Amino acid sequence: ETGVTQSPTHLIKTRGQQVTLRCSSQSGHNTVSWYQQALGQGPQFIFQYYREEENGRGNFPPRFSGLQFPNYSSELNVNALELDDSALYLCASSSEILAEGAHPAFFGPGTRLTVL
Amino acid sequence: AQSVSQHNHHVILSEAASLELGCNYSYGGTVNLFWYVQYPGQHLQLLLKYFSGDPLVKGIKGFEAEFIKSKFSFNLRKPSVQWSDTAEYFCAVNARAGGGNKLTFGTGTQLKVEL
Repeated sequence: ETGVTQSPTHLIKTRGQQVTLRCSSQSGHNTVSWYQQALGQGPQFIFQYYREEENGRGNFPPRFSGLQFPNYSSELNVNALELDDSALYLCASSSEILAEGAHPAFFGPGTRLTVL
Repeated sequence: AQSVSQHNHHVILSEAASLELGCNYSYGGTVNLFWYVQYPGQHLQLLLKYFSGDPLVKGIKGFEAEFIKSKFSFNLRKPSVQWSDTAEYFCAVNARAGGGNKLTFGTGTQLKVEL
């Protein structure tokens, strides 16, 4: 059991709507990453926040945006929802980004988003 | 850009059988390597990691993985599986330089262990 929590657990939206997903990092972690895991696939990197600034982005359109707050919690916002956005959205936290690479990421349980 | 291939999508084993799950990555630079496991109904958990040093790394629950740089591989092994090892296993890589904490995952291997 990690200290990463996500809300809500499940969410159903319709096409064109907007959604906000939330994540609380593990204590002491200042880096938050978001991943999209479609059914039968591995997680795909959306973006990462480090000390409240976006620090790396995957191949996702601008309608995917995020925020990180001073307490290192984070939000993922998706505008103009499409059917293909239906997926499990995972938040992962880790400690300082170092030049030599990553510290292990600790994942939350995810938010299951269904777009109808 | 890096990519990860997991060749076995579904594996079925009997208890006490040995396990080896393949993972190959594509990236020209130095990488950090990870195996994550997702038990039914649970979140992704780190099984083991390789950053540097001994290429044979040991993780939790008796799992180990060997980094073979010349083959760009990081295969996961366990000498004797248990029913409780039934889960989905993901290999992931992170580019050492400028990769931040971005992980690139493979598509996963669904392991079912039968009694």
